[in-house]
Amino acid sequence: NAGVTQTPKFRILKIGQSMTLQCTQDMNHNYMYWYRQDPGMGLKLIYYSVGAGITDKGEVPNGYNVSRSTTEDFPLRLELAAPSQTSVYFCASSSTTMNTEAFFGQGTRLTVV
Amino acid sequence: AQSVAQPEDQVNVAEGNPLTVKCTYSVSGNPYLFWYVQYPNRGLQFLLKYITGDNLVKGSYGFEAEFNKSQTSFHLKKPSALVSDSALYFCAVRDMNTDKLIFGTGTRLQVFP
Repeated sequence: NAGVTQTPKFRILKIGQSMTLQCTQDMNHNYMYWYRQDPGMGLKLIYYSVGAGITDKGEVPNGYNVSRSTTEDFPLRLELAAPSQTSVYFCASSSTTMNTEAFFGQGTRLTVV
Repeated sequence: AQSVAQPEDQVNVAEGNPLTVKCTYSVSGNPYLFWYVQYPNRGLQFLLKYITGDNLVKGSYGFEAEFNKSQTSFHLKKPSALVSDSALYFCAVRDMNTDKLIFGTGTRLQVFP
C-alpha cells in the first residue's frame, strides 16, 4: 500500500520560476493537507481540502495555489518562486472522521536560489 | 482558535531513564490530540492519539501519553528511553470548527548512551 506519495523529493528553483509539487494518496481519504516545515518553526499549514472541489487557506497561503479535482490528488503550485519559499513541504491525508490520524508523505525539499 | 504548545525545544535524557515531552493545548469543546514522530529526512509518523476515554493512552514503540483536562496537557512519556528514540516529536490538535490539523513547534528528543 503506497499511502501518500509526493514528487519530486528534491528540487532547486531559480527566483521567479514556477513549479507544481505533486501529492497523491491511495487510501480514499477525503481530507488532504499541505504543510511547510522550516527549521525551528515546526509545521505551518499552507492549504487544506476536505473533499474534491473544496479547498481552504491555512496559516501561510500567500505565494501558493492548490486544486483538488479528484479525491486522490492534491497538487501545490508555486507561481513565482521566492527565496522565502525555501523549505521542506509535506503532504498529508486523513479520513473524514475527526478522530483519525493523518498519514504523511516523505516530503519535498525545495531550494529557491 | 485551537492550538497546541510545546514549551521545550529540546529534551535530553540518558538511555534507560524515563522521558517526558510536554504538550499543552487550547481548544473549545472536546480535544482530539495526537503525537507524531519525525526521524531525519523522513515524513511524520503517527504515535498515538487521545479521543475520549482513559486518560492514559498507549501507542507505538512503547510510548504513552497522559491526558490531563484540568492542566490542559497531553504529555508524551516512555518509561525507559532508547538511543533510537532520538527524533523530533510533534503534538497536534484537530480543530473541530475548521477541520484543520494544527501542529506544535516540535521538540527534539536526544537520548544519550
